[in-house]
Amino acid sequence: TQLLEQSPQFLSIQEGENLTVYCNSSSVFSSLQWYRQEPGEGPVLLVTVVTGGEVKKLKRLTFQFGDARKDSSLHITAAQPGDTGLYLCAGVPNAGKSTFGDGTTLTVKP
Amino acid sequence: SAVISQKPSRDICQRGTSLTIQCQVDSQVTMMFWYRQQPGQSLTLIATANQGSEATYESGFVIDKFPISRPNLTFSTLTVSNMSPEDSSIYLCSVVGSQGRTPAAAFFGQGTRLTVV
Repeated sequence: TQLLEQSPQFLSIQEGENLTVYCNSSSVFSSLQWYRQEPGEGPVLLVTVVTGGEVKKLKRLTFQFGDARKDSSLHITAAQPGDTGLYLCAGVPNAGKSTFGDGTTLTVKP
Repeated sequence: SAVISQKPSRDICQRGTSLTIQCQVDSQVTMMFWYRQQPGQSLTLIATANQGSEATYESGFVIDKFPISRPNLTFSTLTVSNMSPEDSSIYLCSVVGSQGRTPAAAFFGQGTRLTVV
């Protein structure tokens, strides 16, 4: 079973601060996804990273895939209260089944 | 990406009763899945809903407790049977698809928040 460990589990910061969330595994993934989930909603796909060393940017969010394709990070610059939510990383569907990390609950205080 | 509609969005049920959750997708999809999620926590896969055959359940989940139907490629139901307070959770329907040339990823309905009293 491929496991994904996310850290930190909880993060509470002030508006304007920067933060990084990590997603690590001992297994190689052909791609990784990052999701954000707000209360009362299902997870929403933010990005898919495919190539080792790849960096993708989505406004203030920067996603990186490790060179060995075993880990990934999500960096948020100048966090806003609207960034508050549960962030989940997931490994590429294996026979359709995604492997999800433990999740990081982010709270950005105004 | 597919649009996934799930209902009900929330319900409060008496213990011992059953609730059926519906998932409708706006396009035909091969793979549909049902997950359970405690608030603020990660997702646990319950089963794969197979069209035309019995669902495939993950360890710890059984058909008698979570019967699943998949009558066609756009619709599935999950029933939570003989509910107890421990079944209080968020239940999510998911499909796997691709956006353009990017690899396949999971897409979700808005979830059903179930409270058993």
